[in-house]
Amino acid sequence: DSGVTQTPKHLITATGQRVTLRCSPRSGDLSVYWYQQSLDQGLQFLIQYYNGEERAKGNILERFSAQQFPDLHSELNLSSLELGDSALYFCASSVQGAYNEQFFGPGTRLTVL
Amino acid sequence: TQLLEQSPQFLSIQEGENLTVYCNSSSVFSSLQWYRQEPGEGPVLLVTVVTGGEVKKLKRLTFQFGDARKDSSLHITAAQPGDTGLYLCAIKEETSGSRLTFGEGTQLTVNP
Repeated sequence: DSGVTQTPKHLITATGQRVTLRCSPRSGDLSVYWYQQSLDQGLQFLIQYYNGEERAKGNILERFSAQQFPDLHSELNLSSLELGDSALYFCASSVQGAYNEQFFGPGTRLTVL
Repeated sequence: TQLLEQSPQFLSIQEGENLTVYCNSSSVFSSLQWYRQEPGEGPVLLVTVVTGGEVKKLKRLTFQFGDARKDSSLHITAAQPGDTGLYLCAIKEETSGSRLTFGEGTQLTVNP
């Protein structure tokens, strides 16, 4: 158990819909990262938050957004969903240290039908 | 162009065999991490290597950071079915919020 929690574990929805994925980092970790993992794309970095502020952006679509709340949990919002958005979405947290070692949650498997 | 190239992409071996997987780049890194991911689970950090030439051991797993800090290898001795998984290397990008960039991974299958 990494100490990072994600809900829900599975999510099935239809094209055009909007969903919210939730992540709680390890106690004491200020940084939260979101990744998308699909079969043909590997682990793709989406966005990073540090203590409530956006720190870095990766290959995140405009239809996707995220935020980190004062209690440090984070939410990833996916809207106008397309079939190609079906993937595993992982959240990770870290102490903002020298090596930035990350601890991953169990992921949310999103299926868009 | 991938910042990190991992090879081989797929590896299927029998229990008891030894294997080595590689992570290479044309850039120099201050540190490199190895993760293992099992199906349906999140990646789990195995080790961080920092010094050129450094060797770290974790039971039957031996990690080496190249002298020039541009490559790394993971050697598994006497592989077991429990070693099956996706092995990912990652480096920290200093210029982008200290995010990690991952290689595509080596999918290892150890058959009983």
